[in-house]
Amino acid sequence: KAGVTQTPRYLIKTRGQQVTLSCSPISGHRSVSWYQQTPGQGLQFLFEYFSETQRNKGNFPGRFSGRQFSNSRSEMNVSTLELGDSALYLCASSPGRKSQETQYFGPGTRLLVL
Amino acid sequence: QQPVQSPQAVILREGEDAVINCSSSKALYSVHWYRQKHGEAPIFLMILLKGGEQKGHDKISASFNEKKQQSSLYLTASQLSYSGTYFCGFRNSGNTPLVFGKGTRLSVIA
Repeated sequence: KAGVTQTPRYLIKTRGQQVTLSCSPISGHRSVSWYQQTPGQGLQFLFEYFSETQRNKGNFPGRFSGRQFSNSRSEMNVSTLELGDSALYLCASSPGRKSQETQYFGPGTRLLVL
Repeated sequence: QQPVQSPQAVILREGEDAVINCSSSKALYSVHWYRQKHGEAPIFLMILLKGGEQKGHDKISASFNEKKQQSSLYLTASQLSYSGTYFCGFRNSGNTPLVFGKGTRLSVIA
């Protein structure tokens, strides 16, 4: 099976712009989670989707939003970008039927905000 | 709440052992361990469910103490390939998200 894919891999934006990141889970996986990774804070949970519904949300401002489509692909959007949004954004997928399932991570999208 | 990991960083010589600890202020449902090498995605190592079990494969094992709300990862006879950042992830219940600690950077030198 193909792994989790994320596009684009790299992005450079300026403050105030918005950005959309995409994640395609492993075939058959219905749950997608998003994380922000920065050197000082490790992996910070953003949100989790299952069958097009947001199941959990982390402690991030409303500028961060996401959605999941019927084919389980997910997008996250960040509006009004700030310098502090520069980070590696990782998504992870799992089958979604049991809470103890393994999550498989994609390679991430590295966002640089200038 | 984010798990508390310790130590933040450790340097080992090949063949030495290391222990990475993770603790939570809340009751735990499951513990997940990952390793991430520089520039790569985190790779799953193992999952432990409440019940106080211990798991392992090869020379990497982990324990889960439900009463103390702690988990430890044990690396024995370390190899150069063990270098990377290790993350523990906790679920506090079956419906809560997987939340990760800040990571432990492990460097194995020859």
